[in-house]
Amino acid sequence: DVHLVQSGAEVKKPGESLKISCKGSGYSFATYWIGWVRQMPGKGLEWMGVIYPADSDTRYSPSFQGQVTFSVDKSINTAYLQWTSLKASDTAIYYCARPVPAAEGGHFDFWGQGTQIVVSS
Amino acid sequence: SYELTQPPSVSVSPGQTASITCSGDKLDDEYASWYQQKPGQSPVLVIYQDTKRPSGIPERFSGSNSGKTATLTISGTQPMDEADYYCQAWGSRSGVFGTGTKVTVL
Repeated sequence: DVHLVQSGAEVKKPGESLKISCKGSGYSFATYWIGWVRQMPGKGLEWMGVIYPADSDTRYSPSFQGQVTFSVDKSINTAYLQWTSLKASDTAIYYCARPVPAAEGGHFDFWGQGTQIVVSS
Repeated sequence: SYELTQPPSVSVSPGQTASITCSGDKLDDEYASWYQQKPGQSPVLVIYQDTKRPSGIPERFSGSNSGKTATLTISGTQPMDEADYYCQAWGSRSGVFGTGTKVTVL
């Protein structure tokens, strides 16, 4: 069975850095893209971008380019989402999910449980 | 940037049919997929490649895509189907989600 398990909730102050994780199991982690999705409080889903673990090829949504960084450690089947200087507006739930190739529709067939991030002074 | 537009809310009586639309300029060239999200839970894929249902999704969920509008239909809607629904498609170089529709089963 495919599983994506995310790291736990975080409470941070503005200006702090943060790296959250998403560990995949039950499939060949390196050969499937991993995506990140933001959901701000009471709001809809936002497509942030994807990363391909085999070669770290990365595609960011224009809205998130330069705001966050994706990375992977394929030796431990784990993807990361990182901020260098958090803002209050980064408060949200962040999901990792496994997308199929864009030519097949790019839909997310498996999702992590989400990581709640609260940024407050 | 590319946008997918959904109605904010749809109300339906139990046993009736609910239809949710998703409009976008590239939908005549791209597949649409649909997700169900209940409060406090991760989204669940209910339709992919316009019309296909993943294993375990009830047959009452169906999808279509014609012109620039994709549609999710829930036939014989049950109280358990009350949730938020999001469409998704692929834009020029990135994916995009629709604005979301809250389905209320009255």
